[in-house]
Amino acid sequence: KNEVEQSPQNLTAQEGEFITINCSYSVGISALHWLQQHPGGGIVSLFMLSSGKKKHGRLIATINIQEKHSSLHITASHPRDSAVYICAVIASGGSARQLTFGSGTQLTVLP
Amino acid sequence: EPEVTQTPSHQVTQMGQEVILRCVPISNHLYFYWYRQILGQKVEFLVSFYNNEISEKSEIFDDQFSVERPDGSNFTLKIRSTKLEDSAMYFCASILQGSSYEQYFGPGTRLTVT
Repeated sequence: KNEVEQSPQNLTAQEGEFITINCSYSVGISALHWLQQHPGGGIVSLFMLSSGKKKHGRLIATINIQEKHSSLHITASHPRDSAVYICAVIASGGSARQLTFGSGTQLTVLP
Repeated sequence: EPEVTQTPSHQVTQMGQEVILRCVPISNHLYFYWYRQILGQKVEFLVSFYNNEISEKSEIFDDQFSVERPDGSNFTLKIRSTKLEDSAMYFCASILQGSSYEQYFGPGTRLTVT
């Protein structure tokens, strides 16, 4: 069974701090998504990666396929970064490419 | 930028009623998905759809649920006889093509069953 675990579940930071959210998964994957969910409920895809590292603005995502682990980093955090960050994976071998989701990390950035 | 749209944004229905949630995926996408998120819980996979048929479904997707792509643009999720536990946010998503894994999400429909 494919399990996706995230840590921490909740994270409170001061504006400007460097933030790391971790994700580990239990099966081989084809790809991993980092998603952002705001209080209204909508989901936005931040990154999709299958190896290495991606950077977009102040966000950096890394993945280690051998260790089955990914991290999302936010540099110079800002209150507008406050949201739930969700890791989701596509298990390798399947044809349907559906996502299996972690429980999310609630990030609150205080001014 | 093309986007996945969903209607309605919020649906309130009485237990036992049928509901149809609608999604318009990005026009040249080929793989379609429904996910749901019960309040306070993780997002769960319901069903995937490709080439006008279900390609995979989860244990949640029982006989009360059905999906259709009736006109080549809309992608619908029907719940035949809603239960209180069907109250959730329902997300539609799509993928461009076979070589891609990047999913594009709609804004969701919040279903409340009373």
